[in-house]
Amino acid sequence: ETGVTQTPRHLVMGMTNKKSLKCEQHLGHNAMYWYKQSAKKPLELMFVYSLEERVENNSVPSRFSPECPNSSHLFLHLHTLQPEDSALYLCASSQVEPGAGNTIYFGEGSWLTVV
Amino acid sequence: QKEVEQDPGPLSVPEGAIVSLNCTYSNSAFQYFMWYRQYSRKGPELLMYTYSSGNKEDGRFTAQVDKSSKYISLFIRDSQPSDSATYLCAMINQAGTALIFGKGTTLSVSS
Repeated sequence: ETGVTQTPRHLVMGMTNKKSLKCEQHLGHNAMYWYKQSAKKPLELMFVYSLEERVENNSVPSRFSPECPNSSHLFLHLHTLQPEDSALYLCASSQVEPGAGNTIYFGEGSWLTVV
Repeated sequence: QKEVEQDPGPLSVPEGAIVSLNCTYSNSAFQYFMWYRQYSRKGPELLMYTYSSGNKEDGRFTAQVDKSSKYISLFIRDSQPSDSATYLCAMINQAGTALIFGKGTTLSVSS
């Protein structure tokens, strides 16, 4: 079993649909992340949760809504998306310890296509 | 100037070649440096992790950091077709609050 598990792996949704991406980490980490990966672009950090509190929101449109019910689970709720939101959405986790680095471990990703 | 610069390639080499992948950065606050490997349609996996300047070796892989030049490298010896992937550099500051990725370099090793 991988350390970070994402479901679904593939999702096709219409612009008026509401769907959610789910992530679960089995590494005992205290921080979880959502990243967006589009073709020819660097990984874009969307949201960071540390100790279950959101600590960063990089100007992400409100049609993306994160939820972190506990330190092991993270959701990304999607509604009224646009075709340009089609991308690979990666969940990641890490153990944040100031002065000791912050190695991030990724899940396999959820491929999202908005039609 | 972008915080992290990485040539996207693609880079094509024959099997057995030595591969050199590089990133440059502008923020001197970065202290930890990582290389991730990402196969097609998969999530990135951590390959190498180094702190500050110096070299670190793991099998056929060597990570090198030159903080004075703000330049990091990943060397792959005796490259194999299974090394064909996108390699992303990443770096983070001391507090662990700012993690930045390069765009990734696509490597193809032909047999």
